[in-house]
Amino acid sequence: QQPVQSPQAVILREGEDAVINCSSSKALYSVHWYRQKHGEAPVFLMILLKGGEQKGHEKISASFNEKKQQSSLYLTASQLSYSGTYFCGTEWGDYKLSFGAGTTVTVRA
Amino acid sequence: SAVISQKPSRDICQRGTSLTIQCQVDSQVTMMFWYRQQPGQSLTLIATANQGSEATYESGFVIDKFPISRPNLTFSTLTVSNMSPEDSSIYLCSVDQPLEAFFGQGTRLTVV
Repeated sequence: QQPVQSPQAVILREGEDAVINCSSSKALYSVHWYRQKHGEAPVFLMILLKGGEQKGHEKISASFNEKKQQSSLYLTASQLSYSGTYFCGTEWGDYKLSFGAGTTVTVRA
Repeated sequence: SAVISQKPSRDICQRGTSLTIQCQVDSQVTMMFWYRQQPGQSLTLIATANQGSEATYESGFVIDKFPISRPNLTFSTLTVSNMSPEDSSIYLCSVDQPLEAFFGQGTRLTVV
């Protein structure tokens, strides 16, 4: 079952912050976050596991609320390079990812 | 980390023909995954390819249309059979490593 992502799109000026949310109707084992630029493959940003473990890039932060089955990705002090489509992928312990519809982020100078 | 080589990177094919996409990983992995990304859409899992057993297909995908091979722990192929314009998509292979998943660069398929 596909997780629900919001917002669908966001436009930022450099230096502004944004939050992207991902929610699931099923209990989650892990949440993955990816960014995809046009014409390229998705690039791993972060994984958050049930129990609190997480791994990701230094400049990206995210949270995982196990009880609410939700995750949020925080884009802080955005840069032009942050532009792209962000996908959350949810996993329920079987290693298969189900992806949200994506959030298009546009950062303008 | 894992490095995935996927080829071809793109192709334009005639309807009714088949295309085989190859995915090579630089390390041994237990599971490989094949995804489809239709234009402007999210990624949808086609199947899971396990070495030594038949692939497991997700709802809406069948082996006759998307046969998959997994001859060893570093290689897999996905064939898109009897293609129609609706098969025009990006096809990606992926592997799952501890705490991270990696994608190949994708195969952009256009069916005319």
